[in-house]
Amino acid sequence: LAKTTQPISMDSYEGQEVNITCSHNNIATNDYITWYQQFPSQGPRFIIQGYKTKVTNEVASLFIPADRKSSTLSLPRVSLSDTAVYYCLVGTPSGSARQLTFGSGTQLTVLP
Amino acid sequence: DSGVTQTPKHLITATGQRVTLRCSPRSGDLSVYWYQQSLDQGLQFLIQYYNGEERAKGNILERFSAQQFPDLHSELNLSSLELGDSALYFCASSVATGLAGGRNEQFFGPGTRLTVL
Repeated sequence: LAKTTQPISMDSYEGQEVNITCSHNNIATNDYITWYQQFPSQGPRFIIQGYKTKVTNEVASLFIPADRKSSTLSLPRVSLSDTAVYYCLVGTPSGSARQLTFGSGTQLTVLP
Repeated sequence: DSGVTQTPKHLITATGQRVTLRCSPRSGDLSVYWYQQSLDQGLQFLIQYYNGEERAKGNILERFSAQQFPDLHSELNLSSLELGDSALYFCASSVATGLAGGRNEQFFGPGTRLTVL
């Protein structure tokens, strides 16, 4: 079961790009990397998912190096509303017996 | 709105009691996941059901049990409650098509806040 390590917290200012890195040294061949965002007292919300190289959607980019032992979530031009906990998740999306484990998360605080 | 519903929103009970939390997944989703989130433990995976069958087990205590019914809704039963069981309990659902490498976004419900006094 792949374990993830993220920074506990990060601060940024409005309008800046934020990069949050997650380490997952024992990621398995079939594992995908998924990031979720969680606001206080709400359920986590899917942000982005990838397997290798780079994935981009309307809210974020995900960079995955060739060895896949880490990944970086990039949030362009953050705003105050991006203040939340961000979780890096590693696991197989196949619905098999492999569980999807949330790490401790990174508390991102965006300052004015 | 994720499409996942959970009831009740809040639950206050006493130690030693038993409660049942209910989850209705998004229409078409076959997988249901249960998570516990407490202040000191973070988001802990408890158990997954897929189309009525248990698929994966996480840090679920023996005092806790779950099931998924033919209509795909799920219930999490917590018994002999202790103070430490006070937490937010989230249910999530996904398509989980069973195809390796497929995208499997989990959609989370609003959670049930359990307070054990």
